[in-house]
Formats: sequence, C-alpha cells, structure tokens
Amino acid sequence: EAGVTQFPSHSVIEKGQTVTLRCDPISGHDNLYWYRRVMGKEIKFLLHFVKESKQDESGMPNNRFLAERTGGTYSTLKVQPAELEDSGVYFCASSQQGGETQYFGPGTRLLVL
Amino acid sequence: AQSVTQLDSQVPVFEEAPVELRCNYSSSVSVYLFWYVQYPNQGLQLLLKYLSGSTLVKGINGFEAEFNKSQTSFHLRKPSVHISDTAEYFCAVIRASNTGKLIFGQGTTLQVKP
Repeated sequence: EAGVTQFPSHSVIEKGQTVTLRCDPISGHDNLYWYRRVMGKEIKFLLHFVKESKQDESGMPNNRFLAERTGGTYSTLKVQPAELEDSGVYFCASSQQGGETQYFGPGTRLLVL
Repeated sequence: AQSVTQLDSQVPVFEEAPVELRCNYSSSVSVYLFWYVQYPNQGLQLLLKYLSGSTLVKGINGFEAEFNKSQTSFHLRKPSVHISDTAEYFCAVIRASNTGKLIFGQGTTLQVKP
C-alpha cells in the first residue's frame, strides 16, 4: 500500500510568487492534515480536512494560504503571494475515519527568497 | 489546550549506550501520545504510540516509552543505540478519541557517535 505522497519535494521561489503544494493521502483515508515546520521551530498544525470539508483551519497563518480538497482525494495548498517567512517544511498527513494515528508524507521543503 | 515539551534539543550518545529522550505534556483532558522519528532527508515515521492499557509501549527498532500520568511524561528509551538511530525525534499528543490535530514538541536530535 502506498503511503502519503507529496509534490514537489523541494521548491525555491521568489517573494511575491505563487506556489502550490500537493498531497496524496493513503487511499481510503478520510482525514487529511497539513502541518508546517519553520526552521528552528516545532511542527505546527495548519488545517484538517474530513473528506472534502474543512474540519479545522485554525492553524492557517493568514489569507495568503488556501487549501483545497476537491472530491475528497488529494489536497493542494497554495501560497499566494509567498513571503520570506513562509519558508519551511510543509508536511501532509492522513488517517482513517475515526483513526487516531496520522501517517505523514515526506514533506515539501519550501524556500522563499 | 495541550502543550508538549521536549526537554533536550540535542542528545549526543556513543554507540551501544542507552538513551532516554524526555517528553512532558500538559493537558486538561485525556490524550493519546506518540513518538515520531525523522531520519535525515526523510519524512516523519511513527515510532510508537500510547492510547490506553499498559503504560509501557514498545515500538519499532527496539524503542520503548512509558506513560506516566502523575508526572505527565512519556519518555522514550532504548537500551543500546546504533549509528542508524541518528535522527530527530518528535513527541506529540492528540485529544483522546479525537481525529484532530497533533500537538508537537520541539524535537530532539539524537546524535549517535561511533
């Protein structure tokens, strides 16, 4: 069974540009999460989808971040326009319906110059 | 609200020595506890978890952790480490019976020296 996959693995963009990150959860997992780790800080929650609905988006930093999960399968996280402080590693995780264990992808390393 | 504190940012240890990585948490409700590991240039991998029952839980690669409710701790231990255990380790909690967000500690880098 394939694990959580994320694309791209790395992205280097200039301030003001747009970047879209993609996450494919484990097949059949209803819950999908986005987290972020800024250098030197702890991993922080961004938002949680249950199928295609946003269950909790309390961790989204501001309105430059837009997450979607159309059809309840893969998810995208768009940052527009990107700022320097958006640099970090963006992790995606998924879990089964009612499941407490989250399985993580390899992360996308974003560098905003 | 929940919070997690990993008391050591870096732990250097010689190969074949025992190691303990410390984790304390704070929560007004029951929680589940997890340890994840991130090897260099890889994603987060579940090491072990405590949901209920026996307070001593065993995970992959010879690691174990003990849940101590009175001390609100969930320390990770291994009796003899290998070079390949060099990685960053994260303690995390989630509200019990919940599929919501994980709250992570700051991470502990375990550096195993030959």
